[in-house]
Amino acid sequence: GDSVTQMEGPVTLSEEAFLTINCTYTATGYPSLFWYVQYPGEGLQLLLKATKADDKGSNKGFEATYRKETTSFHLEKGSVQVSDSAVYFCALSENGNNRLAFGKGNQVVVIP
Amino acid sequence: GAVVSQHPSWVICKSGTSVKIECRSLDFQATTMFWYRQFPKQSLMLMATSNEGSKATYEQGVEKDKFLINHASLTLSTLTVTSAHPEDSSFYICSARVPGPSYGTIYFGEGSWLTVV
Repeated sequence: GDSVTQMEGPVTLSEEAFLTINCTYTATGYPSLFWYVQYPGEGLQLLLKATKADDKGSNKGFEATYRKETTSFHLEKGSVQVSDSAVYFCALSENGNNRLAFGKGNQVVVIP
Repeated sequence: GAVVSQHPSWVICKSGTSVKIECRSLDFQATTMFWYRQFPKQSLMLMATSNEGSKATYEQGVEKDKFLINHASLTLSTLTVTSAHPEDSSFYICSARVPGPSYGTIYFGEGSWLTVV
């Protein structure tokens, strides 16, 4: 079945550092790919998405490119802020039916 | 953006009792809602798709008699964990779909922590 794999463990980095969170997926078809963010005490929010190969999703300085050849959708931000501290989830949806398959999530902690 | 609210945010119940979690779409009508559960350090796992006015569609391996889902109105879906046991302790999250381009947009609730003692 469909699955999403995120890199293990929390990510701790200093303010203004470069952030990368790896995400790879397994799917039978051509899924849509998403990054969701969960700030402390809040629900998951859609951060960005890409619906076909080579699309780049971007929002709030974050970017991710849908790479079909490597089945990846890595999240990047060039200069993180303390306010970016949150849990980030990679997810996919086959056929646009909104049934999302999630990765385990990565806790990101940005230190001033 | 759209708001989805869950209640309660956390609940403790005794083993063998039932507990209900509500998921409301506050400013839109949601014909479809989704229920997930998340164990510590694990992925969110889709439990079921809740369709207004019809029976929920459960994912493989999810006991429909244990996790009762009711979507009686366009703004409310409820998840009832029946005869709860400690292994049902988990974080339960709902989401709702707002129809629109590109299959619409999904909004998530804040989640509900269930602890069964």
